[in-house]
Amino acid sequence: EIVLTQSPGTLSLSPGERATLSCRASQSVSSTFLAWYQQKPGQAPRLLIYGASSRATGIPDRFSGSGSGTDFTLTISRLEPEDFAVYYCQQYGSLLWTFGQGTKVEIK
Amino acid sequence: VQLLESGGGLVQPGGSLRLSCAASGFSFGTFAMSWVRQAPGKGLEWVSSISGSGGGTYYADSVKGRFTISRDNAKNTVYLQMNSLRAEDTAVYYCAKPHLPSGYFDDWGQGTLVTVSS
Repeated sequence: EIVLTQSPGTLSLSPGERATLSCRASQSVSSTFLAWYQQKPGQAPRLLIYGASSRATGIPDRFSGSGSGTDFTLTISRLEPEDFAVYYCQQYGSLLWTFGQGTKVEIK
Repeated sequence: VQLLESGGGLVQPGGSLRLSCAASGFSFGTFAMSWVRQAPGKGLEWVSSISGSGGGTYYADSVKGRFTISRDNAKNTVYLQMNSLRAEDTAVYYCAKPHLPSGYFDDWGQGTLVTVSS
């Protein structure tokens, strides 16, 4: 089973700042099978990025994904007030799905 | 796309519960479906998935042998039968639609809370 480790656990930033979130896999993951989600309190997760770098429908272009192999990154270029939330990476392979433990982006 | 879960509630350890997810807005029988759960204050955990035909079922190790996923394509509904429930199964259970072959979840329900406690 592939384990995804996200860092940092919490990111304290101000609106307008850049956020860089990391997701490291215990073994190589094809970019096709790597996704990112945003979750706000009391809500279901929302798909942000699929295929490591493709934005889902309706996702603003301040969100971008990159990476390959075992290291993937979600970048929010300029934080808006509505971006403070928890972010999860997820991978799929061999009929199994795994999620990272999440990174909380909080207001500094 | 709409996914509407139901069936959550309070159950004693060792008990059983069946969750349902009613789907609409897409050709249900042609898509795999999944359950993902989230324990209070914790992260997301994939639980189980089923192929569009129902012929393929897949489980996380943590629920294998205790949970059974099934679907009724005539009713556009997917189910999760949960037996031998434990305190650690307490969570919000989300129904989600995986986009295959890439595996990302592009649609989610609002979730239903299952509490296992005496």
